[in-house]
Amino acid sequence: QQQVKQSPQSLIVQKGGIPIINCAYENTAFDYFPWYQQFPGKGPALLIAIRPDVSEKKEGRFTISFNKSAKQFSLHIMDSQPGDSATYFCAASSRGSGYSTLTFGKGTMLLVSP
Amino acid sequence: NAGVTQTPKFRVLKTGQSMTLLCAQDMNHEYMYWYRQDPGMGLRLIHYSVGEGTTAKGEVPDGYNVSRLKKQNFLLGLESAAPSQTSVYFCASRGQASGNTIYFGEGSWLTVV
Repeated sequence: QQQVKQSPQSLIVQKGGIPIINCAYENTAFDYFPWYQQFPGKGPALLIAIRPDVSEKKEGRFTISFNKSAKQFSLHIMDSQPGDSATYFCAASSRGSGYSTLTFGKGTMLLVSP
Repeated sequence: NAGVTQTPKFRVLKTGQSMTLLCAQDMNHEYMYWYRQDPGMGLRLIHYSVGEGTTAKGEVPDGYNVSRLKKQNFLLGLESAAPSQTSVYFCASRGQASGNTIYFGEGSWLTVV
């Protein structure tokens, strides 16, 4: 049972475009939603995270939008650059588990063309 | 500051051989994790540990064993490697003082032939 569904699997945008990656979750106990960024040959690294008490969070060119009623959250990358080309993973965790583990989506490969 | 270090980085095994992947972290983190990453499957949790001397099963534990004898080290063992265990393995750690951020190593590429 996949608890965090991520789409699309891959995405190509032109430089300056705004790629959007979507995730949906099933477990209503989830209350921490991070996004991780992974470059080829490297391990994932935390990009930005949100909790369900806010509907949006911005850090630089990266924005998370959160819809608690729909159990969905998405990552927007403003003014995307070729250096943003990477695989992006959404994830979820819960206080009930002590935030001990993260459940990841399957990832989105983003290519930003020059 | 090294962070999370995995050894070896690359390894080729024959079916039935055994091996151990070593993970070391220098951040004094309580939690440590082993994930595997396969194309189209994302990151799947194999085993994890919430502290020295403790381990727990994740989503895909079969065929793997782990040990956390020291706080800074988390070992992943394959007793009898199978081609289905060909994957990229990531170790990760998290500290209570660092909030919910999980820090990953750079991965270990394992091929079983």
